[in-house]
Amino acid sequence: EIMLTQSPGTLSLSPGERATLSCRASQSVNSYLAWYQQKPGQAPRLLIYDTSSRATGIPDRFSGSGSGTDFTLTISRLEPEDFAVYFCQHYGRSRTFGQGTKVEMK
Amino acid sequence: EVQLLASGGNLVQPGGSLRLSCAASGFTFSSYAMGWVRQAPGKGLEWVSAITGGGGDTYHADSVKGRFTISRDNSRDTLYLQMSSLGAEDTAVYFCAKGSSVSRPYFFDWWGQGTLVTVSS
Repeated sequence: EIMLTQSPGTLSLSPGERATLSCRASQSVNSYLAWYQQKPGQAPRLLIYDTSSRATGIPDRFSGSGSGTDFTLTISRLEPEDFAVYFCQHYGRSRTFGQGTKVEMK
Repeated sequence: EVQLLASGGNLVQPGGSLRLSCAASGFTFSSYAMGWVRQAPGKGLEWVSAITGGGGDTYHADSVKGRFTISRDNSRDTLYLQMSSLGAEDTAVYFCAKGSSVSRPYFFDWWGQGTLVTVSS
């Protein structure tokens, strides 16, 4: 099973700042990597799929990049509604999720 | 608009059984794989089970294999998760989710609101 490790566990930033979230896989996942956002008491929402494609309705301040085993979700300028928990997921050979990164307001 | 309405969560005793349902609307149900993902209180997401659009292929996480069974009724646009031999480790909110295509590989592009399963005596 492919393991996904997200870092950091918590990111403390202010609105307007840039957020960089990392997801590292235990072996290559090709491009089958997605990112989800989850707010308290809500279901997850798809942000990015196939490493770098934005889902419908997702603002262009969200971007994904990476290849092989190292992937990044970048939020260029944090808006108040972006403070949430973010999960990466591999959906190829396995369907594992990372443990999540919480983006909190400083 | 895609809607996924999960139901069936409840308080159940250890060793008990429960069936979750997920009523889908807003898309051609049989054309997409579906899955269940759970989240224990205060924890991350854990993929549980998935099924292809036609229902011919099913997949279960090792943690639930032999105890949980995913199925679907394409005539009713409904997804199910039959759970048995439940233990405290199964306590979680269970989300149903729509796959991005009929079979692998697929990500989950729409999620239901979740239904809470609590296993306790």
